[in-house]
Amino acid sequence: GENVEQHPSTLSVQEGDSAVIKCTYSDSASNYFPWYKQELGKRPQLIIDIRSNVGEKKDQRIAVTLNKTAKHFSLHITETQPEDSAVYFCAARNQAGTALIFGKGTTLSVSS
Amino acid sequence: NAGVMQNPRHLVRRRGQEARLRCSPMKGHSHVYWYRQLPEEGLKFMVYLQKENIIDESGMPKERFSAEFPKEGPSILRIQQVVRGDSAAYFCASSREVEEKLFFGSGTQLSVL
Repeated sequence: GENVEQHPSTLSVQEGDSAVIKCTYSDSASNYFPWYKQELGKRPQLIIDIRSNVGEKKDQRIAVTLNKTAKHFSLHITETQPEDSAVYFCAARNQAGTALIFGKGTTLSVSS
Repeated sequence: NAGVMQNPRHLVRRRGQEARLRCSPMKGHSHVYWYRQLPEEGLKFMVYLQKENIIDESGMPKERFSAEFPKEGPSILRIQQVVRGDSAAYFCASSREVEEKLFFGSGTQLSVL
């Protein structure tokens, strides 16, 4: 089945810096790659997603890139702010197309 | 739109008791997914259901766990004879179609004493 690896597990940056989180997936048939943000004690919330027919997608300070050949995708956050501090999860849809398989998460800390 | 509703938010059970977790999907959504989250870990897929059907239960433990999504009413995740290792946050998500975005509920924190 699909396996998603996420790195790093923790990331600390200064306010205003950029943050990059990387994920790899195992199933070449996967075609949908969302990113979720989860604040402490809250529900995971979708922040951006990308489908396999697109190489890059941007939404204000957040961008996602996808390399289907290498089977990896990345989340880029520019001009980080303290409110960006949270756990970020990447995911890929499994081979059967029935479920999202998540990475183990990256705890991002933005200090002012 | 009220979003995905889960209840209870917190559930305390003693070992050997049963736990029932409820999930009402967003209006217009007929696909429901259950995930389990342990501290410091990601979201582990458990089961995917449509109305009256279990589509993919590849992540469900073989014993004590069951799920349903009846024609009327919420989806239920049932854990029989709970053990301490079942303590976790259980999240439900829903989508309108299987290929579309998942929206999560606020989760149920299960604590087994």
